[in-house]
Amino acid sequence: EDKVVQSPLSLVVHEGDTVTLNCSYEVTNFRSLLWYKQEKKAPTFLFMLTSSGIEKKSGRLSSILDKKELSSILNITATQTGDSAIYLCAAYRDDKIIFGKGTRLHILP
Amino acid sequence: DGGITQSPKYLFRKEGQNVTLSCEQNLNHDAMYWYRQDPGQGLRLIYYSQIVNDFQKGDIAEGYSVSREKKESFPLTVTSAQKNPTAFYLCASSPGHNQPQHFGDGTRLSIL
Repeated sequence: EDKVVQSPLSLVVHEGDTVTLNCSYEVTNFRSLLWYKQEKKAPTFLFMLTSSGIEKKSGRLSSILDKKELSSILNITATQTGDSAIYLCAAYRDDKIIFGKGTRLHILP
Repeated sequence: DGGITQSPKYLFRKEGQNVTLSCEQNLNHDAMYWYRQDPGQGLRLIYYSQIVNDFQKGDIAEGYSVSREKKESFPLTVTSAQKNPTAFYLCASSPGHNQPQHFGDGTRLSIL
């Protein structure tokens, strides 16, 4: 059965710390991997990764895909309280998308 | 502004009642999706549609039904056959398959 597994499920750090969120996938006919941030209601899109080893960056956030290890990481440097959210990872296969359970990140001031 | 509108924000269902959740998008996207989110469960796919007048079951379609008569609209009906409907329901759309999805603000459904 296809699955997307995120770790850790929950994380608490202090403002200014750097965090690394993990996502592993077992998906037949894998097409791409996506990261979303969900604060209260609607998840907002962060990154879409299709090629292995190419880092995508947006401000303090960056992400990379490793197709050999079937995994991806999301890094957040110099964390701020506004980074507190649930971070969702999802994998597209040929016909549909599969989401992980998310990592709940809490940043302490 | 372009976006996805879900209504209502909160909905209560009585025993034996069907309820319909609305999802409208003005992004001119071909694909639309419905998800259910329970605490600690992430997003689970209920139904999806890649084109008007066509839709497919997701992982948890039992007790739900959809229609896609117009490109802009993808309503979800929670039927009385869904025995545990209390959840947060999210609608999303994308230009096509394998492209980033845009989400609505969700509908929270509870049982009376």
